[in-house]
Order: sequence, then structure tokens, then C-alpha cells
Amino acid sequence: AQSVAQPEDQVNVAEGNPLTVKCTYSVSGNPYLFWYVQYPNRGLQFLLKYITGDNLVKGSYGFEAEFNKSQTSFHLKKPSALVSDSALYFCAVRDILTGGGNKLTFGTGTQLKVEL
Amino acid sequence: GAVVSQHPSWVICKSGTSVKIECRSLDFQATTMFWYRQFPKQSLMLMATSNEGSKATYEQGVEKDKFLINHASLTLSTLTVTSAHPEDSSFYICSAGTGTTYEQYFGPGTRLTVT
Repeated sequence: AQSVAQPEDQVNVAEGNPLTVKCTYSVSGNPYLFWYVQYPNRGLQFLLKYITGDNLVKGSYGFEAEFNKSQTSFHLKKPSALVSDSALYFCAVRDILTGGGNKLTFGTGTQLKVEL
Repeated sequence: GAVVSQHPSWVICKSGTSVKIECRSLDFQATTMFWYRQFPKQSLMLMATSNEGSKATYEQGVEKDKFLINHASLTLSTLTVTSAHPEDSSFYICSAGTGTTYEQYFGPGTRLTVT
């Protein structure tokens, strides 16, 4: 079975400071990993994904994430946070080995709050 | 590209009535569509997976007779909440996959309130 953990319910950061939103995963085989962002009363917007290749993945709006196989982590990062980055962030995984029929398993979400 | 729409964006219905939510892929053919339910400040819970032309696969604990899913074409899937009750009030989100890419493309969600 595949699972995702986002250990922080909320992350607070000052605008202009770097931000990190943590994600760890568990799969039987190799993972496909994703980050999505959700604004209030909206669907999910795709930020970035790791499928294979370079461990550092760059995505939308200046976000990036680093795949660390030994630590089974895929933390989301941004060098300089903006107030407009304040939203709910979800990490998701799909297990390549089992296929899962494209089924994604989501973490519980981390609320990011960027303050002036 | 890869836009998914949902209709309606919000709906209020009376207890005991049925509500249909549509999910459309606007600029691509969706071989697979997914339906999720999200409670306030919680994660997305997968309800079912549907492939065009075949019966939906429901997750454990989801009543298939209550949440009817139809995926009649490569661009349209519908979720019908039958005999809705207040506890069915939630935010319902659909997503679509093409089968050739790895990501899912999400709709904007439908807020259902049952009074």
C-alpha cells in the first residue's frame, strides 16, 4: 500500500524568507510524486512532479522539490515566499510497481501562511 | 491545456432529493476520471475511479448505490448523489487522467449543501 505523510498541519513564514513544506512517502516500488496547491473553495492546481531523472524538480510559481530516495522524502521549497503563496498544499504519491490504476494517495495537507 | 470543468460549482438541495454533478475534460480525452470528497480542512478522499465505457470502481466504504457514477464518454463523467442527506454535504472534486501522462488534472470542485 502507498501512503504519504505531511507532518506539519501549518507552516508560518515571513514574506521574503525561504519556505519548506515537508512530505514523506511509503510505496512498494518506485514512486511518482506530486505537489498540488489548493486555494479556498477551489480545486487542486498542479505544481510539480517527480517521475524519474534529476532529483531536484522545478515547478510552477518558483516552487521546487527535492526527491530523496534514502529518506523517502519529497519536500517542497521556495527560496523567497510571497503572501500570495498562502494556501493549502498537498503532497501525493502513485506507486509505479503496483500501478494503482493511476490512483493517487494524498497527504493530509499543510496550510502555508505567509505574513508580511 | 488540460482543463477540467465541473458543474454546478455549488448546489443546495433538500434532504431526500438527488443531485447530479458533471465533470468535463475540455481540451483532452480523459480515459480515467476520479471522484474525490473533501471535508473542511481535510485531505481528499478518493470515492471512485471510472473508466470510459465501464463500471466505476468504488473505494472501500463508499456506497455505490448512493453515489452513482457514469463515464459515458471520454470527456464527461457524472456523479449523482441519490437520496441526499445532510451528512452528504461536502466539497466534491473530480479529476481526469489521459493515460499517457502521470498527473491528474483537477476540476474546480462542487460545494454540495443538503438541508
